[in-house]
Amino acid sequence: GAVVSQHPSRVICKSGTSVKIECRSLDFQATTMFWYRQFPKQSLMLMATSNEGSKATYEQGVEKDKFLINHASLTLSTLTVTSAHPEDSSFYICSAGVGEYQPQHFGDGTRLSIL
Amino acid sequence: AQRVTQPEKLLSVFKGAPVELKCNYSYSGSPELFWYVQYSRQRLQLLLRHISRESIKGFTADLNKGETSFHLKKPFAQEEDSAMYYCALRDSGGYNKLIFGAGTRLAVHP
Repeated sequence: GAVVSQHPSRVICKSGTSVKIECRSLDFQATTMFWYRQFPKQSLMLMATSNEGSKATYEQGVEKDKFLINHASLTLSTLTVTSAHPEDSSFYICSAGVGEYQPQHFGDGTRLSIL
Repeated sequence: AQRVTQPEKLLSVFKGAPVELKCNYSYSGSPELFWYVQYSRQRLQLLLRHISRESIKGFTADLNKGETSFHLKKPFAQEEDSAMYYCALRDSGGYNKLIFGAGTRLAVHP
């Protein structure tokens, strides 16, 4: 089946650091990938839609300069949290679909902790 | 506005009891609905989708457009069903975007 790999699984860093999270589709090509944020005991909130070869589409209220998304190839999207602060601490999850109308497959998520 | 509502944060049942996890949606077009499950320490995975009309792990869900519901049901719960369940709606506006409900934690006790 379709596998989405996310790396790293956990990051702990100091306030002000920029953190990059990778999302890879291992056995399929994904023109579109999605980035979600999940707070403890809450649902997944879509942050942005990552489009290969073009700019990401951000959801309302998500700062595009804060959360930089790059989708340079059909198998890799990256999310960079720039100048991270404690309020950015969260669980970040990516997903991708094999095709436009196919279900999304999710990565394991990245737990980001900013001290 | 598009919205998915899961009214119960926690559903606690005994093994062998019937289970119904509620999901209601608000959507102006023709919806496509999914149930995703997240077992402890595992990634979110697709359980079933309404267009497939299939039963997975004994679970079924029927789309009721009149009641705008997509409740997940299982006649006899098992302990291994304990997990977090999310109902999701696909936004046909583009890009295959999913809108998730808040999730319901199912706890099945022996």
